[in-house]
Amino acid sequence: DAKTTQPNSMESNEEEPVHLPCNHSTISGTDYIHWYRQLPSQGPEYVIHGLTSNVNNRMASLAIAEDRKSSTLILHRATLRDAAVYYCITSKLQGAQKLVFGQGTRLTINP
Amino acid sequence: DTAVSQTPKYLVTQMGNDKSIKCEQNLGHDTMYWYKQDSKKFLKIMFSYNNKELIINETVPNRFSPKSPDKAHLNLHINSLELGDSAVYFCASSHRPGTGAYEQYFGPGTRLTVT
Repeated sequence: DAKTTQPNSMESNEEEPVHLPCNHSTISGTDYIHWYRQLPSQGPEYVIHGLTSNVNNRMASLAIAEDRKSSTLILHRATLRDAAVYYCITSKLQGAQKLVFGQGTRLTINP
Repeated sequence: DTAVSQTPKYLVTQMGNDKSIKCEQNLGHDTMYWYKQDSKKFLKIMFSYNNKELIINETVPNRFSPKSPDKAHLNLHINSLELGDSAVYFCASSHRPGTGAYEQYFGPGTRLTVT
């Protein structure tokens, strides 16, 4: 699985959009990109995943660069509840799905 | 209804003891996982079972033994507990991995403290 690089921390204001970047320059053509988040004292929570095209769901949007070497998780309107550690992870298209968590980005939301 | 549940939530025990952590999911998934999150907050996969068959077995001491009595349950038994086993253990489940990507649903975690 490709190594991912994320900023250690980011800060944003409530009700503003948040763009969380992730670099995965060694990603292969068959690797998925996943985003999970972990709220304080809770287990990780699935946010979104994609392969090549941009993806939207009720929680967030995932913008994948054309060369797939980077991606951005977009929270359209941050709330205090979005304060968490966000993990960007890549995994193989086929086979056992082993999620390898890095250090993630700690997102702080200011009221 | 809790999707993935773990018991106990907290476990404090002494070195050398044997303990078990139980996990149950009611999502109808056929794949379950155990992860360990250490004091530095790094989350690492330990094991994965699909239909009661072990499919992922990371470099974990033999003192750790997962047991899956059925698709909905995956228990973790730890023998001869050591101080370094202190961590938060998370259970997760997903649909069968294969072609494609399936989201994993995590339990609330079990905080194990070995004294």
